[in-house]
Amino acid sequence: QVQLVESGGGVVQPGRSLRLSCGASTFSFSNYAMHWVRQAPGKGLEWLAVISYDGTIQNYAESVKGRFTISRDNSKNSLNLQMSSLRADDTALYFCARAPRTVVTQGPFNIWGQGTMVTVSS
Amino acid sequence: DIQMTQSPSTLSASVGDRVTITCRASRNISPWLAWYQQKPGKAPKLLIYKTSSLESGVPSRFSGSGSGTEFTLTISSLQPDDFATYYCQQYNSYWTFGQGTKVEIK
Repeated sequence: QVQLVESGGGVVQPGRSLRLSCGASTFSFSNYAMHWVRQAPGKGLEWLAVISYDGTIQNYAESVKGRFTISRDNSKNSLNLQMSSLRADDTALYFCARAPRTVVTQGPFNIWGQGTMVTVSS
Repeated sequence: DIQMTQSPSTLSASVGDRVTITCRASRNISPWLAWYQQKPGKAPKLLIYKTSSLESGVPSRFSGSGSGTEFTLTISSLQPDDFATYYCQQYNSYWTFGQGTKVEIK
């Protein structure tokens, strides 16, 4: 069964950093673009970042550009999100998600993890 | 940036009802529009992609249509498992979600 599992969430103080990870299993991780999406409590979905299948291209939502960095390690089937200068409005459930087709970045998200919660609070 | 606006925000319906949710884009995104279903505490589930293509395993009571800037998700006969929140998403230029439509029991 194709699976994504996020980890690394927790409570962090404003201004600090946190690194999220997403582990992939039972599919060829290195062939797919990957995304991070978040959902603040009681709110809708917000796309944050994408990384191409080979890690050479990254794009970000304006709300996190310059503060968040997406990366991947295809040798470890792992996706990461380095978050810095965290603010209270970054409090959310963070999902990783996969593009549906190999190599191509454009597309919806057909596989999602269960999410990891990040709470930014003093 | 492309903005996505869904209507209504909340919809009250009964089992067996035909339900329609509308999504409007701030510019032409055709045909790059997807629909997701999300239940509380769960990850979203892809229902429809490329405006009207049904994702594998999704019941045929779900359908999508539209073009240009206006799109619809239709549930032909609402089932108990369908009470959830639905989101549209454009993937013409980066990715943007609508604000969601909660389908609740009438």
